[in-house]
Amino acid sequence: DIQMTQFPSSVSASLGDRVSITCRASQGISTWLAWYQQKPGKAPKLLISSASSLESGVPSRFSGGGSGTHFTLTISSLQPEDFATYYCQQAISFPHVTFGGGTKVELK
Amino acid sequence: QLQLQESGPGLVKPSETLSLTCTVSGGSITSGTYYWGWIRQSPGKGLESIGNMYYSGRPSFNPSLRSRATMSVDTSKNQFSLSLTSLTAADTAVYYCARLTNWGIEQWGQGTLVSVSS
Repeated sequence: DIQMTQFPSSVSASLGDRVSITCRASQGISTWLAWYQQKPGKAPKLLISSASSLESGVPSRFSGGGSGTHFTLTISSLQPEDFATYYCQQAISFPHVTFGGGTKVELK
Repeated sequence: QLQLQESGPGLVKPSETLSLTCTVSGGSITSGTYYWGWIRQSPGKGLESIGNMYYSGRPSFNPSLRSRATMSVDTSKNQFSLSLTSLTAADTAVYYCARLTNWGIEQWGQGTLVSVSS
């Protein structure tokens, strides 16, 4: 099984801050990586696929990068609606997929 | 617009079997190259894939749940289902049904909370 590790598990930030989240895969997954945003009581929402491709309607302040085993999700200027938990997910072993443990973005 | 809706019991007793159904509307479960699957989230925890399948294929399960899980598709009703046996408190979670592609999970149900308790 491919293990996905995210860090930090939580981050406190202020409006307008630049926030970066890291996701590491236990083995190389090329760019077979997706990022999700989840708000309390809601289903996750796909933000980014193929490590860096922004889904339609996702604000351009979100960006993804990386390949192999090291990936990042960056929010360039944190907005009120961005406070949420973010998950990475590997897709190289599709249809068997695994998720990272999540990173909660909180207001400082 | 495609929608997925989970249905099933909200409360199940320990050692019993959970049966959940996902009804797909706004599109056919047989169209495209999509997989249909189940993902759960224990209270305050992260996301865990349970299993998924192509409508005409064999299901693929998380190794940690393989011995207790089965899935099926009913194309006549545009539904797919999950059964999970020998439940314990550790199976208490929100269960999501979803449509999967090899680049990500684009469509999710709203989720249904299942509690395992006597």
